[in-house]
Amino acid sequence: NAGVTQTPKFQVLKTGQSMTLQCAQDMNHNSMYWYRQDPGMGLRLIYYSASEGTTDKGEVPNGYNVSRLNKREFSLRLESAAPSQTSVYFCASSAGTSGGALGTDTQYFGPGTRLTVL
Amino acid sequence: AQSVTQLDSQVPVFEEAPVELRCNYSSSVSVYLFWYVQYPNQGLQLLLKYLSGSTLVKGINGFEAEFNKSQTSFHLRKPSVHISDTAEYFCAVSGPDNYGQNFVFGPGTRLSVLP
Repeated sequence: NAGVTQTPKFQVLKTGQSMTLQCAQDMNHNSMYWYRQDPGMGLRLIYYSASEGTTDKGEVPNGYNVSRLNKREFSLRLESAAPSQTSVYFCASSAGTSGGALGTDTQYFGPGTRLTVL
Repeated sequence: AQSVTQLDSQVPVFEEAPVELRCNYSSSVSVYLFWYVQYPNQGLQLLLKYLSGSTLVKGINGFEAEFNKSQTSFHLRKPSVHISDTAEYFCAVSGPDNYGQNFVFGPGTRLSVLP
C-alpha cells in the first residue's frame, strides 16, 4: 500500500498563476483533508471531505477550491496564487464513515507539497 | 471551539536523557487527544491517542502521555531519548461530534536530541 500520495513534491509559481495539487489514498478511507503548514502555526485545515460527494470549508479556505473526484482522490486548486499561499501543503485521510468523519479517527498524511509563490 | 497550546517551541535534550513535551488544551466539551510526530521532510504520523479509559496512554517508539482532565493537559514523555527522536511533535484535540472544524493542531514543539 502506498498510503497517501501527493503530487507534485515541489512547485514554484508566479503571483496570479493557477495550479492543482493532487492527492490520492489507497486505504478505502471515507474522509480526506487538506492542510497547510506554516512555521510556528502548526497545521491549519483548508478544506475537508467527510465522505465521497461532500466538501466543507475548514479554518483557512479563502483562495482555494477543492474537488472530491472519487473516493480515492481529493484535489486542491489555487485559482490565482498569492505570496501568502507560500507554504507546505499536506493531504490526509481517515477511515470515517459513509456519514462523515469522526473525531476519534487517526489521520494518515501524505509527504507534502512545498509551494513557493513569487 | 477548541484550542491547543504547546508552550515550548523548541526542546533540546541530550541523548539518553528523559524528555517531557507539554500540551494544554481548552474545550467546553469532552475531548479526544492526539500526539503526532513529523520527521524531517515527511508527513505526520500518529504517536498515540487518548479516546477514553486509562489516562496513561502508551504509543510507538517508547512514548507515553497522560491525560489530566483537571489540568486540561496531555503531556508527552519518554524516559530515554535517541538521536532518531529528533523531530517536530504536534498535539491535537478533537471533539465528540462529527469532524467539522473541531480537529485542532497545536503549533508544534521541535525536539532536538544532542549526542
